[in-house]
Formats: sequence, C-alpha cells, structure tokens
Amino acid sequence: ETGVTQSPTHLIKTRGQQVTLRCSSQSGHNTVSWYQQALGQGPQFIFQYYREEENGRGNFPPRFSGLQFPNYSSELNVNALELDDSALYLCASSLFPTVSGGEKLFFGSGTQLSVL
Amino acid sequence: SQQGEEDPQALSIQEGENATMNCSYKTSINNLQWYRQNSGRGLVHLILIRSNEREKHSGRLRVTLDTSKKSSSLLITASRAADTASYFCATDAYSGAGSYQLTFGKGTKLSVIP
Repeated sequence: ETGVTQSPTHLIKTRGQQVTLRCSSQSGHNTVSWYQQALGQGPQFIFQYYREEENGRGNFPPRFSGLQFPNYSSELNVNALELDDSALYLCASSLFPTVSGGEKLFFGSGTQLSVL
Repeated sequence: SQQGEEDPQALSIQEGENATMNCSYKTSINNLQWYRQNSGRGLVHLILIRSNEREKHSGRLRVTLDTSKKSSSLLITASRAADTASYFCATDAYSGAGSYQLTFGKGTKLSVIP
C-alpha cells in the first residue's frame, strides 16, 4: 500500500467524449506526476504538478490537461478522446525533486480507461 | 519515447533460481531506478542506483550500473513465486525548475514457477 489512491478504477468512454481521472497523493508529498501505460508497454510521462502548477510535460497533446489542488490531490482531464487513449493511467506522488534527482515515486493502482 | 530497453522481454524460472534482467538506455542519466508491477496495477519502487555508483544491494536484490555501456542489471536471488511480476528500469532527467521525469523501459515479465 502506497497511500496513493486513484478513482475510478475502471472507465469506459466513447470516442470524442471527455474524461476526468482523480488522484489523492500520499500524505506529506507535494508533487504529483501522471503516466500513461499502454498494454505491454512501460509507463509514459504525461506531466508533473507542483504548487498547483504544471512544471514538466511529456510528449502529449494539449487535450491532456491537469489540476493540482491545495491539498495536493490531482486530476487528469482528457478531451476529445481517441481510441489510442485506451490505457492504464497512473498517478504517482513524491517529494519535490532536487537537482540530484532520484526521488522515489509512489504509484496508485491506476485507472483503466477504455475508449470505444 | 522509451529510454530504456529491458532484456529479456519475458523470463520463466523455477522457484529458488536466480533471475537476471538487463536494461540499456540511450542518454546520460543522473539515476536509475527499478520498479515492479503486479498484473498491470501500480508500480512499486525497488531500488535506486546513482550514476556515480556501480553496485547496490537490498535484501535479495542486487543492481549494477555501467555508465560507459549505458546499461544496468537487476539480479533477484533465490526467487519465490511471489516475485512473479513485470520489472521496469527507469532513468531520470532533471530539466530545471524542479521538472523531473522518469523514462521507463518496456519491462521484463518474470514468471517464477513453484
């Protein structure tokens, strides 16, 4: 148990719809990252939030957006869903990264999104 | 894009045997971490090795890092059925202003047969 909770666990949407996924960070963590994991692949970095602002983004289009709240919980929003968005979406919390890096990420169990 | 490539993609061993997984990466790194994932659920951090370290141990885990070859290996000794999972290496890149991302490989799927 990492203390990071995600909801919902499973979700089915149709192409073109919008979806919001939620994450509650582990106590004491101020940074949240979101990853997308397609079947049979490793997780791909979407973006990172600190102090309610996005401070790092992977190679994902603007229709992927997020929010971080004062209590460090977070949302991932995806607009205009496409079939290729079907994946496991993982939220990870951590302490704010230092220059030397190496911060351990604590992952939630993920939300399995299916786009039909 | 995937930074790391794990090898082999799948590994099946008998309980009690050792399991070795390899990871190669493309660009310079600050650190390399190994994570474990059970049945497509959340990942669990196993061990971190920094770029100035060559070997680290944690329980039954041994990690090596060769920055000249841009490769790492994870050894699990005396494997157990409970070790059955997918194992991922992840390299990090600090891009300033606290922006820090892990880049994962595709993983090695380990099956330990009782």
